[in-house]
Amino acid sequence: ELKVEQNPLFLSMQEGKNYTIYCNYSTTSDRLYWYRQDPGKSLESLFVLLSNGAVKQEGRLMASLDTKARLSTLHITAAVHDLSATYFCAVDIGTNAGKSTFGDGTTLTVKP
Amino acid sequence: KAGVTQTPRYLIKTRGQQVTLSCSPISGHRSVSWYQQTPGQGLQFLFEYFSETQRNKGNFPGRFSGRQFSNSRSEMNVSTLELGDSALYLCASSASGGYNEQFFGPGTRLTVL
Repeated sequence: ELKVEQNPLFLSMQEGKNYTIYCNYSTTSDRLYWYRQDPGKSLESLFVLLSNGAVKQEGRLMASLDTKARLSTLHITAAVHDLSATYFCAVDIGTNAGKSTFGDGTTLTVKP
Repeated sequence: KAGVTQTPRYLIKTRGQQVTLSCSPISGHRSVSWYQQTPGQGLQFLFEYFSETQRNKGNFPGRFSGRQFSNSRSEMNVSTLELGDSALYLCASSASGGYNEQFFGPGTRLTVL
């Protein structure tokens, strides 16, 4: 059974600081997704990582994938309050298209 | 392009009742997946439909069922509701699943009293 673990689960940061969220998964996969969820809202797709070594950046967020280590990271640079949200990573395996296994989420709070 | 839509947005039911939730995917998308989100269990996969066929199923009891119509719209049904079924139910559509990105709808918030 595929397991996806995120850490930390809660993260409180000062504005302007950098930090990294980690996502480990238990079974070989080459499809990993990062989502953002604001309170009471749905999931917003941030990044789709499809190959080993993939790196994608959008604004202050950068995601990477190491399929050999079964690890993805979401790096936050110079955090701002607007980045406060819950971030989820999710993994698909094999032919289980459209069946994502999610991590527990990392709730990020950025304080002024 | 219009996004994924879900109806209703909010529902209140009592134990033992049944409920049907609807999801309209992005135009042209043929894969619809359903997820349940609760504070205790997080986001859990329910099932996925592609071209009117259930392609994947999660570990939920048979009270949870779904279907997909020829226009790719999907419904999920929960019979004999239990208190623990209170959750945010999210549907996601993608062009064909697999390497295609999933786009999530706003969700249906179900409360079972």
